[in-house]
Amino acid sequence: NAGVTQTPKFQVLKTGQSMTLQCAQDMNHNSMYWYRQDPGMGLRLIYYSASEGTTDKGEVPNGYNVSRLNKREFSLRLESAAPSQTSVYFCASSESSVVVRELFFGEGSRLTVL
Amino acid sequence: DAKTTQPPSMDCAEGRAANLPCNHSTISGNEYVYWYRQIHSQGPQYIIHGLKNNETNEMASLIITEDRKSSTLILPHATLRDTAVYYCIVVYFGNEKLTFGTGTRLTIIP
Repeated sequence: NAGVTQTPKFQVLKTGQSMTLQCAQDMNHNSMYWYRQDPGMGLRLIYYSASEGTTDKGEVPNGYNVSRLNKREFSLRLESAAPSQTSVYFCASSESSVVVRELFFGEGSRLTVL
Repeated sequence: DAKTTQPPSMDCAEGRAANLPCNHSTISGNEYVYWYRQIHSQGPQYIIHGLKNNETNEMASLIITEDRKSSTLILPHATLRDTAVYYCIVVYFGNEKLTFGTGTRLTIIP
């Protein structure tokens, strides 16, 4: 099992460009999440999806859109990238949206916006 | 969700027990305490969680005070691979959103 797979692992964008970060999990988990982590800081929740077909905003949703394509895949889109979105992005999944918050994280996607 | 307070950094000698404190004085009765760690720049890893009883698994023990206002994560025999940032998180039952603070940077010293 691969667990949680994120692509791409590294990306450099120019201000105003758009891109989509892809995330897929093979654990049949219901819930999926997107976090960002800036240098020296903790993780901040951008969006999450409690189940297939639903998405909700987290702490820092501005400038992002998400799509829960199916149970396996949860993508994060930057429509018009800004330097403030330079960060490491982590996707995570969990089996239950209610009982246990054991999140499984991907390896991260390092995004630089020039 | 209750706010948590952790020391920014700690050192521990290799082979000793590492005791990481967390203060959550405003915790309510239906809020759980979770611990995660993040090794270098990897994604965080779940360690353990509890409500009011002490818990133990293969990685660590979680001691929650009787009034539930604080807890301690114990790594019984720390190794160099335990060097990481440790996050204490309090979240109420049914809340989807796990909020990671800045955690405690634990350094294991040879």
